[in-house]
Amino acid sequence: GAVVSQHPSWVICKSGTSVKIECRSLDFQATTMFWYRQFPKQSLMLMATSNEGSKATYEQGVEKDKFLINHASLTLSTLTVTSAHPEDSSFYICSAGDSYSTDTQYFGPGTRLTVL
Amino acid sequence: KNEVEQSPQNLTAQEGEFITINCSYSVGISALHWLQQHPGGGIVSLFMLSSGKKKHGRLIATINIQEKHSSLHITASHPRDSAVYICAVRWIHDKLIFGTGTRLQVFP
Repeated sequence: GAVVSQHPSWVICKSGTSVKIECRSLDFQATTMFWYRQFPKQSLMLMATSNEGSKATYEQGVEKDKFLINHASLTLSTLTVTSAHPEDSSFYICSAGDSYSTDTQYFGPGTRLTVL
Repeated sequence: KNEVEQSPQNLTAQEGEFITINCSYSVGISALHWLQQHPGGGIVSLFMLSSGKKKHGRLIATINIQEKHSSLHITASHPRDSAVYICAVRWIHDKLIFGTGTRLQVFP
């Protein structure tokens, strides 16, 4: 079946640094990828929709200058948390749908970010 | 009020029991997903439904579009079924709206 990978799976960084998270669709092309964050024991919250070759669409309340999204190819989207602070500590998950079939969303394994 | 509500929030069962998790939604949707999230965080898509019923192994998912309700059933539950089960509805532009999840623990 289709696979979505994320890298890194976990990262610990100091406050003020920037962290890049990659989301790759391994065996299919994805014109659209989604980025979510999840706080402990809470549901996933959509942060933004990443569109290949164009600007991402951010959900209300999500700072686009804080969470930079780049979708440079049909198999890769990146989320950069700029000037990270402890409140950015969370579990970040991406998902992607096959460009030829929007029936199923495939989820990445997630990236746990801890900002000290 | 959440647009997608799940019940129960927490569920414990003995191995072998039949389990039902419910999902009700209030928005118009094109599809509904049932997802499984294990303690490590990884999410697996179990089903995508737009009508009727689907079965995969011991898992059965049903949806009633008119009533805006879906159920996930697990037959002959096993401790390895312990996870958080999340209902997510597909909305405009393929966006997913997530329920708050049902935490299932199955004891041997």
